[in-house]
Amino acid sequence: DAGVTQSPTHLIKTRGQQVTLRCSPKSGHDTVSWYQQALGQGPQFIFQYYEEEERQRGNFPDRFSGHQFPNYSSELNVNALLLGDSALYLCASSAPGTTYTDTQYFGPGTRLTVL
Amino acid sequence: QKEVEQNSGPLSVPEGAIASLNCTYSDRGSQSFFWYRQYSGKSPELIMSIYSNGDKEDGRFTAQLNKASQYVSLLIRDSQPSDSATYLCAVNFNMNYGGSQGNLIFGKGTKLSVKP
Repeated sequence: DAGVTQSPTHLIKTRGQQVTLRCSPKSGHDTVSWYQQALGQGPQFIFQYYEEEERQRGNFPDRFSGHQFPNYSSELNVNALLLGDSALYLCASSAPGTTYTDTQYFGPGTRLTVL
Repeated sequence: QKEVEQNSGPLSVPEGAIASLNCTYSDRGSQSFFWYRQYSGKSPELIMSIYSNGDKEDGRFTAQLNKASQYVSLLIRDSQPSDSATYLCAVNFNMNYGGSQGNLIFGKGTKLSVKP
């Protein structure tokens, strides 16, 4: 059973460029969440996708956008890159559930460096 | 502002000892709590989840939850050098949706070092 996969593993961009990160959820999972983890910090929630729609969004600017496809895979797009966007970008997937007993499983992450 | 607080450490324990990691959270309405382990340069790996007051044991790990005190802890018995990592406490604050729901608010993590 394949876990959460992400691509690419590493990425180097320059300021002002645009980047697209990709995520495939764990088999049987329909919800994808994206997090940004700066060095020495805990992950910060960017947004969550369910049924191809953005269901929740954290405190991130509109430069961060996403998409979910019918097969539940997802993309994170970041426009007009800033040096401060350098971080580990994590994708987490979760399964349909009831009430609050949801658990999120993380992929290996994409390390983005902005020069 | 919903917050999760952890001591950043580092917490250093000798091999074979009990490591105790602590976490407090700000929202009394929170209902699900998670501990993740993160090795340097890797992604977070789920260790434990807990939803009810009291203790939950899984092998060498015990999670403890006290909702009245808004406190959750993780005990690691018989600590091994391989347990050296950063431990992240995460809380699911958002209970507004049915099905898969909510986002996780993470603490900054506690770095644990187990000395041989």
